[in-house]
Amino acid sequence: KNQVEQSPQSLIILEGKNCTLQCNYTVSPFSNLRWYKQDTGRGPVSLTIMTFSENTKSNRRYTATLDADTKQSSLHITASQLSDSASYICVVNCVEYGNKLVFGAGTILRVKS
Amino acid sequence: SAVISQKPSRDICQRGTSLTIQCQVDSQVTMMFWYRQQPGQSLTLIATANQGSEATYESGFVIDKFPISRPNLTFSTLTVSNMSPEDSSIYLCSARDATDTQYFGPGTRLTVL
Repeated sequence: KNQVEQSPQSLIILEGKNCTLQCNYTVSPFSNLRWYKQDTGRGPVSLTIMTFSENTKSNRRYTATLDADTKQSSLHITASQLSDSASYICVVNCVEYGNKLVFGAGTILRVKS
Repeated sequence: SAVISQKPSRDICQRGTSLTIQCQVDSQVTMMFWYRQQPGQSLTLIATANQGSEATYESGFVIDKFPISRPNLTFSTLTVSNMSPEDSSIYLCSARDATDTQYFGPGTRLTVL
């Protein structure tokens, strides 16, 4: 069973709309949780990194939240743009595994005009 | 931030042959990694490339199949040996810097016929 579960698997929204992607994890203990954006044919690019003591982190139109008690994180995208179309991957840095990253399967977002 | 380049960006190979992928980072990094990503799937860690010593392989990956070198802090190679169609995948180089930010290369798309 994957230790990092993301939902939805895919999502289609209209340009300009907001959306929220979810991430539930069972990895414990962890040192930080990361969100990456992966464009088709490219490597993942870091959006946010949050330690277990942080509740929220913003990067331009991306806002990530973290609830370490419920082991949930979300990524909110505001005023979506066509260039936001990509896969968004939730990644947990697992202390038990020597600080290795545990990847979710990703949410594929498509923004259409 | 670190910028990672990989060569080749893609290749089509015959079964039974080997391919070496090169990874170059433009700044000092503490750790380097190699990942594999099957189409539509999440990233799977192959190994951690250690400078001047043997790489540390994850379960299911062995040195004879995926020999790795890291002669200095910013350069690493991954060889996919005796290839079969099951090795068709995207291979990504990754590096972590002193701020714990992890960067990814653009990937090498390998097709084995």
